[in-house]
Amino acid sequence: DAKTTQPNSMESNEEEPVHLPCNHSTISGTDYIHWYRQLPSQGPEYVIHGLTSNVNNRMASLAIAEDRKSSTLILHRATLRDAAVYYCTLGGGGFKTIFGAGTRLFVKA
Amino acid sequence: EPEVTQTPSHQVTQMGQEVILRCVPISNHLYFYWYRQILGQKVEFLVSFYNNEISEKSEIFDDQFSVERPDGSNFTLKIRSTKLEDSAMYFCASVEVSGANVLTFGAGSRLTVL
Repeated sequence: DAKTTQPNSMESNEEEPVHLPCNHSTISGTDYIHWYRQLPSQGPEYVIHGLTSNVNNRMASLAIAEDRKSSTLILHRATLRDAAVYYCTLGGGGFKTIFGAGTRLFVKA
Repeated sequence: EPEVTQTPSHQVTQMGQEVILRCVPISNHLYFYWYRQILGQKVEFLVSFYNNEISEKSEIFDDQFSVERPDGSNFTLKIRSTKLEDSAMYFCASVEVSGANVLTFGAGSRLTVL
């Protein structure tokens, strides 16, 4: 299974941008990079995904390194509601998605 | 927005009892998954299901577990004889198409085994 490495925790101030890094040096050519988040007492929630190019949606942006061995999830303006565990995963093709420990994001008012 | 629905939200059972957790995936989705999360731990893959059969399963998914899609809408996880260590949140997820494999999760069913 392709693995990802994320910092255990990060802290941000409210209204400031947050950059959440992820390393995936063993990514295969067909693996998509997905980000999910898990708010307290809820199930994981899809945030964004990409293959090679940077992606933007209403929740966040995803910056993918040229060699695809790392990516960064960008929350442009963190709010208290963004406090969650953020998971970077690899997957595609109907195969299982493996979740690591993720990064716990703390947002300070 | 379409969602994955899970029932019950919380079930308490005695050790050794059978439990069935139910999921209604999004109607046009083709791939179905069960994950579990023991309190304070990471989300663990249990099983994936496609075309009315198991496509992958983890070491956790032993003979005590089974999955079924009895009709066109429900997707169930059965634990035949629950153990204390089966206490966890169980999440159902579904995927529309296999390309990017974006999972949509349900809110989960909390299972407490006494």
